[in-house]
Amino acid sequence: DAGITQSPRHKVTETGTPVTLRCHQTENHRYMYWYRQDPGHGLRLIHYSYGVKDTDKGEVSDGYSVSRSKTEDFLLTLESATSSQTSVYFCAIKGGGWNTEAFFGQGTRLTVV
Amino acid sequence: DQQVKQNSPSLSVQEGRISILNCDYTNSMFDYFLWYKKYPAEGPTFLISISSIKDKNEDGRFTVFLNKSAKHLSLHIVPSQPGDSAVYFCAASAQGAQKLVFGQGTRLTINP
Repeated sequence: DAGITQSPRHKVTETGTPVTLRCHQTENHRYMYWYRQDPGHGLRLIHYSYGVKDTDKGEVSDGYSVSRSKTEDFLLTLESATSSQTSVYFCAIKGGGWNTEAFFGQGTRLTVV
Repeated sequence: DQQVKQNSPSLSVQEGRISILNCDYTNSMFDYFLWYKKYPAEGPTFLISISSIKDKNEDGRFTVFLNKSAKHLSLHIVPSQPGDSAVYFCAASAQGAQKLVFGQGTRLTINP
């Protein structure tokens, strides 16, 4: 298995509170991604990083921010959680060229009540 | 705008028969395609890929076919086994873009 760990694995939080999810890799891969999985939508890209302090938005970035201060860590922050952000969040890592696969973490199930 | 579409949310197949999962895409810049498999409470795992210079790639029981003119790819699993029951996602990327765009997924159930 690729060395990628997400924490926490499960979280319940209240509407309006900030939440940070962590992704940690031991593969020294350049690219890191945050996706969310929702029924009927598959996996949608939230934000991604192509290097330390280099990040860009994905297709569903509103309400989310990210930071990458070290190669191995990529943080996803929900600035003020809403019920629409209840989802399963997956981190992925990718090295090498464009024609390589990404490896996924086990996911974080987030419930906003 | 869904650039990668899996129009069948679910598929049920008899054990030992062939499973065929389909995927369509709209972006002509896509030139690398992947299939992922996902079990409940786990992350997606890479299954097989194909680049646009090929029209077929095989790996054991799994074969991916690419029809560029139709912007269509398919995953064939033969023979299907109970352990193949999972959600399958197709994904695509364009050269120079390090992002994977995923379809909605197809839930495959293999019946004994």
